[in-house]
Amino acid sequence: EAGVTQFPSHSVIEKGQTVTLRCDPISGHDNLYWYRRVMGKEIKFLLHFVKESKQDESGMPNNRFLAERTGGTYSTLKVQPAELEDSGVYFCASSGSASGANVLTFGAGSRLTVL
Amino acid sequence: AQSVAQPEDQVNVAEGNPLTVKCTYSVSGNPYLFWYVQYPNRGLQFLLKYITGDNLVKGSYGFEAEFNKSQTSFHLKKPSALVSDSALYFCAVRVGSYNTDKLIFGTGTRLQVFP
Repeated sequence: EAGVTQFPSHSVIEKGQTVTLRCDPISGHDNLYWYRRVMGKEIKFLLHFVKESKQDESGMPNNRFLAERTGGTYSTLKVQPAELEDSGVYFCASSGSASGANVLTFGAGSRLTVL
Repeated sequence: AQSVAQPEDQVNVAEGNPLTVKCTYSVSGNPYLFWYVQYPNRGLQFLLKYITGDNLVKGSYGFEAEFNKSQTSFHLKKPSALVSDSALYFCAVRVGSYNTDKLIFGTGTRLQVFP
């Protein structure tokens, strides 16, 4: 089966601009997660979708970040306007069920550089 | 607060020697623990997990990890390191309610295996 696909792999933008990251989960996976790793630090949870609904968005840093999952398939994460501290690698992951013991399948990540 | 610590930024080991990558955690209740690996330009790949049962867990690529409840540790081990094991390793613990797979990650440990 195809894995989790993320696009773009790398984006370089200037402070104040807008960027939209996309994630295509494994087909049939209802659970979709966004995580972020800022340089050298831990990978931090951003939010969790179950189908098209936001189950947990407690990790979203501020209202400059907007995540959507229309139709319960792919998801987008928009940063508007981008700030320098938003630079990092954004990972998407999916799973078929949220059982706690379930393994998340991660994408390769989208590296965002804000200049 | 719930957390995961990986005390070593980098671990260096000669090929053929045993390796250990350390991880300690702090959570309430029984932990679900995971190890993921990231190879260059790749996504996070699942290595192994501890849910319950035998404290010694075996995973992919010959890796294993030992769950130690009294020391709240989950160190990753391999009896004989390969150069191809060189990568970034992340320890993680699941937190949240029954219907979420939210993970808390450590900061990662870079493993360098020298020929």
